[in-house]
Amino acid sequence: EPEVTQTPSHQVTQMGQEVILRCVPISNHLYFYWYRQILGQKVEFLVSFYNNEISEKSEIFDDQFSVERPDGSNFTLKIRSTKLEDSAMYFCASSEGFVTGELFFGEGSRLTVL
Amino acid sequence: KQEVTQIPAALSVPEGENLVLNCSFTDSAIYNLQWFRQDPGKGLTSLLLIQSSQREQTSGRLNASLDKSSGRSTLYIAASQPGDSATYLCAVLTSGTYKYIFGTGTRLKVLA
Repeated sequence: EPEVTQTPSHQVTQMGQEVILRCVPISNHLYFYWYRQILGQKVEFLVSFYNNEISEKSEIFDDQFSVERPDGSNFTLKIRSTKLEDSAMYFCASSEGFVTGELFFGEGSRLTVL
Repeated sequence: KQEVTQIPAALSVPEGENLVLNCSFTDSAIYNLQWFRQDPGKGLTSLLLIQSSQREQTSGRLNASLDKSSGRSTLYIAASQPGDSATYLCAVLTSGTYKYIFGTGTRLKVLA
């Protein structure tokens, strides 16, 4: 069964370092998302992406965040200068259609900022 | 601004019980609503997707209903099993937006 895959599963970094989280969405999917979940809290929207453009981004998604689909299969989230409060589980998701498509999530990348 | 609430926050039931999880949303102009399951430390697994024009969807022992006008959805789990123990999340895609808003979840424990 097709699945969304994310790497790394866990990354530990020092405050101020750049981090890139990688996702491979399901191959025929067109809509891509990043969400995050701080331990014990709600799943929060970061950004949605379609046709090589950001469709919508949240207030959390400030200038230190960026997304890219560099090669037609990967979908990356870059955090330029990590802060302690960026420690969270980051989830990538994709769907085939926008309104009609079921949203499928990866297993997540746990980011720990020291 | 869309807000999604789930009640109860936690639920503990004996095996075999039928149970209902609730999801409320403040803006009824939605494209669809999706129910997910999350096991501890894991990703989200899609359970059911209900389009705004639909009233319910069924998959095995799960049945989800949608009452858009009242801003409510329920997830019915029949004959619960210990393997159903997880956190259940609902998420709403509001019209005019490109983001799903998640509820706080219901943590379910089914006792053997």
